Amino acid sequence: SQQGEEDPQALSIQEGENATMNCSYKTSINNLQWYRQNSGRGLVHLILIRSNEREKHSGRLRVTLDTSKKSSSLLITASRAADTASYFCAAGPNQAGTALIFGKGTTLSVSS
Amino acid sequence: GAGVSQSPSNKVTEKGKDVELRCDPISGHTALYWYRQRLGQGLEFLIYFQGNSAPDKSGLPSDRFSAERTGESVSTLTIQRTQQEDSAVYLCASSFLAPGPGGETQYFGPGTRLLVL
Repeated sequence: SQQGEEDPQALSIQEGENATMNCSYKTSINNLQWYRQNSGRGLVHLILIRSNEREKHSGRLRVTLDTSKKSSSLLITASRAADTASYFCAAGPNQAGTALIFGKGTTLSVSS
Repeated sequence: GAGVSQSPSNKVTEKGKDVELRCDPISGHTALYWYRQRLGQGLEFLIYFQGNSAPDKSGLPSDRFSAERTGESVSTLTIQRTQQEDSAVYLCASSFLAPGPGGETQYFGPGTRLLVL
């Protein structure tokens, strides 16, 4: 299967703590994206990092990418209860006409 | 419209019946995708359209599943002779860029929750 893997599958933290989620993928990529899903509904795009980038920030989000290890991490700093959701990584293959390959997701619970 | 819309939001059907799910992508988006998500699981890729053509149908689980897109706009996913294992949320997404090295960002609809009794 080409599907990526997120680690951990589930994460529970307290408000104010940082949350780190990891993603591994198998294919050769041009970009790696992270999406968020609330309550089993539509996913929302959070951030995209290109294969020639190592780190990217957006607000409280920090994404790293290590193409030699085929892995990425998403760090959410100073978490809030509203960050409770499932987070998915999606690998963007290098091949034209090949769609994103989504991982299985990490479920984050932030308690107040 | 402002976002991707899907209808119906929820569908309950009896085993053996056919269902049709609809997706209206963001205007101007050339690519459209269908995914299936079972309860507590990740996204299972079904099919994508580039324009009205479907270059990749590899994810369709069986010949009971089919999809079409017309006018480079609305798409329908049809499931014939539904089975209980078809129960899931069916998500549609669209992107401005075609799939590939350009790095398409996918915009998702709210999904259709299908329950087959």
